[in-house]
Amino acid sequence: SAVISQKPSRDICQRGTSLTIQCQVDSQVTMMFWYRQQPGQSLTLIATANQGSEATYESGFVIDKFPISRPNLTFSTLTVSNMSPEDSSIYLCSVAGQGLSPSNGYTFGSGTRLTVV
Amino acid sequence: LAKTTQPISMDSYEGQEVNITCSHNNIATNDYITWYQQFPSQGPRFIIQGYKTKVTNEVASLFIPADRKSSTLSLPRVSLSDTAVYYCLVGDVAGGFKTIFGAGTRLFVKA
Repeated sequence: SAVISQKPSRDICQRGTSLTIQCQVDSQVTMMFWYRQQPGQSLTLIATANQGSEATYESGFVIDKFPISRPNLTFSTLTVSNMSPEDSSIYLCSVAGQGLSPSNGYTFGSGTRLTVV
Repeated sequence: LAKTTQPISMDSYEGQEVNITCSHNNIATNDYITWYQQFPSQGPRFIIQGYKTKVTNEVASLFIPADRKSSTLSLPRVSLSDTAVYYCLVGDVAGGFKTIFGAGTRLFVKA
């Protein structure tokens, strides 16, 4: 399965600023997903990022707040813009592998723990 | 996407077998059933996936009845390190489905 490197692992940011989270995969993947996980909660899908096209956002998430880049098949970034304390959360990226088979599942990064003060 | 329902939490003791059942009444013909495990401060980790009947790997077994409206993850002889949140997901893997997580089941393994 793919190996994901996600950076930064954690950060403390001032409200009103922006943070860009990077997700690097060791193999080419077609689809990448960005999630948010608030403390004690399940994961919520933010958007799906495909290379060469605009990201597709889930209800409640907009591009102005969470712009996503997908410049190639191994890399993506998620920016959390104009942050407020409500954005404090863990952000994770996930990939579906090229040539995905039913036995592989999806791989997740270790997450970025964001605290907004 | 089929909605899933799982128990919120379960308790067990070391050495016991743990069975976590997930309901997915609206599962579609092309949907697979996938289970993930998540430890604190880590991303979810794939455990097992199946379509029907029984699937077994080195970590767990997955039992799926003929109507596929539910599935049971079986963890044999759990240890303290199996304390985690377990998520059941349903979707068409071949179509590259987006993984939508339910609330998951918090398993507490006691000594």
